[in-house]
Amino acid sequence: KAGVTQTPRYLIKTRGQQVTLSCSPISGHRSVSWYQQTPGQGLQFLFEYFSETQRNKGNFPGRFSGRQFSNSRSEMNVSTLELGDSALYLCASSLYRPTPGNEQFFGPGTRLTVL
Amino acid sequence: DAKTTQPNSMESNEEEPVHLPCNHSTISGTDYIHWYRQLPSQGPEYVIHGLTSNVNNRMASLAIAEDRKSSTLILHRATLRDAAVYYCILNYGGSQGNLIFGKGTKLSVKP
Repeated sequence: KAGVTQTPRYLIKTRGQQVTLSCSPISGHRSVSWYQQTPGQGLQFLFEYFSETQRNKGNFPGRFSGRQFSNSRSEMNVSTLELGDSALYLCASSLYRPTPGNEQFFGPGTRLTVL
Repeated sequence: DAKTTQPNSMESNEEEPVHLPCNHSTISGTDYIHWYRQLPSQGPEYVIHGLTSNVNNRMASLAIAEDRKSSTLILHRATLRDAAVYYCILNYGGSQGNLIFGKGTKLSVKP
């Protein structure tokens, strides 16, 4: 079974631009969560989608948004990019909504660099 | 939020057991203890999780103290491929299940 895939793997943008990242979960998985990883803040939860609805959200500004499609694929969008948005963006999938008793499966991430 | 404390780094020799400690003194009764690891240039990878009893799987063992205020991830025979950052995470029983990562322990494995 194929794992979580994320595209693109690397991206370079300039300040003020917007960016869209894509995540395809493991086949059959219906929940997708997004995380941001930076050297300073570590791994931080962005949001979680299940059945095309945002179910949970971390403490990030409104410039960060996402959506999920009927085939469970998810996209996240960052508008008006800032230098501090440079990070590794990770997507994780799980069969149903993530619960404390089960695991999540992560993709390889998209490395975003903002110049 | 309940927090975890882990050593910043540890070293091990190849083919020897490794015990990675984690303190979580403010753990609540419904908090699961999860371990993930992140190999260089990869996303985190699930290792193991438990609630009260010790757990074993093909990757590792999880030993949970009787008072649940600490736990230890045990790699029975470290390989070079086990060099990674290991995260001990409390996945709250009452939360929506999102993972709250700390800084983790960077494990180096020497041949």
